[in-house]
Amino acid sequence: DAGVTQSPTHLIKTRGQQVTLRCSPKSGHDTVSWYQQALGQGPQFIFQYYEEEERQRGNFPDRFSGHQFPNYSSELNVNALLLGDSALYLCASSRDRGETDTQYFGPGTRLTVL
Amino acid sequence: AQSVTQLDSQVPVFEEAPVELRCNYSSSVSVYLFWYVQYPNQGLQLLLKYLSGSTLVKGINGFEAEFNKSQTSFHLRKPSVHISDTAEYFCAVSDQRDDKIIFGKGTRLHILP
Repeated sequence: DAGVTQSPTHLIKTRGQQVTLRCSPKSGHDTVSWYQQALGQGPQFIFQYYEEEERQRGNFPDRFSGHQFPNYSSELNVNALLLGDSALYLCASSRDRGETDTQYFGPGTRLTVL
Repeated sequence: AQSVTQLDSQVPVFEEAPVELRCNYSSSVSVYLFWYVQYPNQGLQLLLKYLSGSTLVKGINGFEAEFNKSQTSFHLRKPSVHISDTAEYFCAVSDQRDDKIIFGKGTRLHILP
């Protein structure tokens, strides 16, 4: 049973560019959440997708957007990249209201903005 | 709104010694509590979780945690650590009404030979 997968593993961009990160949830999961983990910090919640819609959102600007596809996979898009967007981006999947809120995390995508 | 405080940013401990990683949370509603571990250059792995019931929760790799509602704490313990336990440990909380997880800043566990 494959767990949560993310691509790419590493990415280097320059300021002002746009980036798309991808996530495939664990088999049987329909809910995908995205987190940003800056160096030396805990992960911070960006947003959550369920039934192809954004269900919850953390305190992140509109430059951060996402999408969920009918197969439950998800993308995170960041526009107009800033140096401060450099971080590890983690995707987590879960079953909606199932398994009492256990989220399973992928290995992350390391984004470096130069 | 919930918040999580991990009282120690780093904890050094000798191999085979016991360890306790401290975590306090604040919330105005009932919560779920979690400990996650992050090995170098990897994602997060769930160690254990408290949802309801017994306040002593056992997890993987010999770790356990105790939920103390009156002290709003959820400290993680292991009776004897191994070099392979070297990692960053994150305490986390989520509102029982939604799935958003709030993480602490993490505690780095250093195992000394």
